[in-house]
Amino acid sequence: EVQLVESGGGLVQPGRSMKLSCAASGFTFSYYGMAWVRQAPTKGLEWVATISYDGTSTYYRDSVKGRFTISRDNAKSTLFLQMNSLRSEDTATYYCTRDWGNNYFDYWGQGVMVTVSS
Amino acid sequence: DIVMTQGALPNPVPSGESASITCQSSKSLLHSNGKTYLNWYLQRPGQSPQLLIYWMSTRASGVSDRFSGSGSGTDFTLKISSVEAEDVGVYHCQQFLEYPRTFGAGTKLELK
Repeated sequence: EVQLVESGGGLVQPGRSMKLSCAASGFTFSYYGMAWVRQAPTKGLEWVATISYDGTSTYYRDSVKGRFTISRDNAKSTLFLQMNSLRSEDTATYYCTRDWGNNYFDYWGQGVMVTVSS
Repeated sequence: DIVMTQGALPNPVPSGESASITCQSSKSLLHSNGKTYLNWYLQRPGQSPQLLIYWMSTRASGVSDRFSGSGSGTDFTLKISSVEAEDVGVYHCQQFLEYPRTFGAGTKLELK
């Protein structure tokens, strides 16, 4: 059974940093691209970043470029999102998702809440 | 960026009736390989999104055949025949043709 379990969220002050993790199991992690998608309270879904199966290619939405870094450890089947210079508009539930061959997101984690506030 | 625009539903929808949700993209999602990169997800209350339809009309594994997707390069419809209680939630369309991946604002389905 495919499982994606996010961790690392919480309350953080504006301008500070936070690192999210996503532990994957039930599939061969190193075969798949992975992504982060977020959802601000009462809002729609917003793609944040994608990383290729081997970590050599990464893609970001403009509003997080230069502040967020997506990475992965295939030996540990774990996806990461390093978030620096956090802003109030980054407040959201962050979902870890599996990217099936650049076609769709077929599995989603339960999400982790990040609140940026002083 | 490709803008995805979703239509609203005349909520609430009577149980057993059909419902159609529309989605429009600002650019054709038809790729030269013949696939149309339009996906549909359902997010039930308090849950994570789940994949329903990909490539505009292909049902994901385990998805009821009451769900069907159709459309052209820029105009798409998700039809739910005989709406049931488990169909309640927010439906999101998404394009996977190019980066940034973009979603519609979501369409809420409520049951009568």
